[in-house]
Amino acid sequence: DQQVKQNSPSLSVQEGRISILNCDYTNSMFDYFLWYKKYPAEGPTFLISISSIKDKNEDGRFTVFLNKSAKHLSLHIVPSQPGDSAVYFCAATGKKGVRTASKLTFGTGTRLQVTL
Amino acid sequence: EPEVTQTPSHQVTQMGQEVILRCVPISNHLYFYWYRQILGQKVEFLVSFYNNEISEKSEIFDDQFSVERPDGSNFTLKIRSTKLEDSAMYFCASRPSGGGGSYGYTFGSGTRLTVV
Repeated sequence: DQQVKQNSPSLSVQEGRISILNCDYTNSMFDYFLWYKKYPAEGPTFLISISSIKDKNEDGRFTVFLNKSAKHLSLHIVPSQPGDSAVYFCAATGKKGVRTASKLTFGTGTRLQVTL
Repeated sequence: EPEVTQTPSHQVTQMGQEVILRCVPISNHLYFYWYRQILGQKVEFLVSFYNNEISEKSEIFDDQFSVERPDGSNFTLKIRSTKLEDSAMYFCASRPSGGGGSYGYTFGSGTRLTVV
């Protein structure tokens, strides 16, 4: 049941360049998407999110783009820094009602390596 | 910055034994979660908890699993009779109120459970 897919298990980018991480989803009930960064032996850290009513959200060096018709989102990191090296997870959630605590469905992650 | 605290960081247990994983969510958060990540796989939802009851649980969360918020600050996951396949990293998460997923969850650093 791969409702959220990250087809690239790894990505290597030079410092200063743009990193583009991709994510595809299949469940049209998802209406909110999040990106998390994870270092070894730590929990996922929230980076940036986007609602399905938007197609872009920007926060500093991080921008998330959402293409609803293609069920595709991407995370752009510009400029990439060595400290960005980590595993990046795409996650999605859907509203079920006020009382329901919406769960996150995660992708398999992309390991980003930013080289000098 | 407020954080979600998990103890212990690593637990080794014999197959068939009971384990309790402990979490202290952020104090003003209302929604609580357990997720797990088997080595090399994606982060998977186990259970969500709101207003002192389970909101949703996954197929993984069978009768061997239970959750409790015993004293208004701790949030525990109990596995009654551990199996080898329960070996994984278990993450606790919490989030404040808000529509849908408008706020990013905060994850703890995880408990690595090893069943031998």
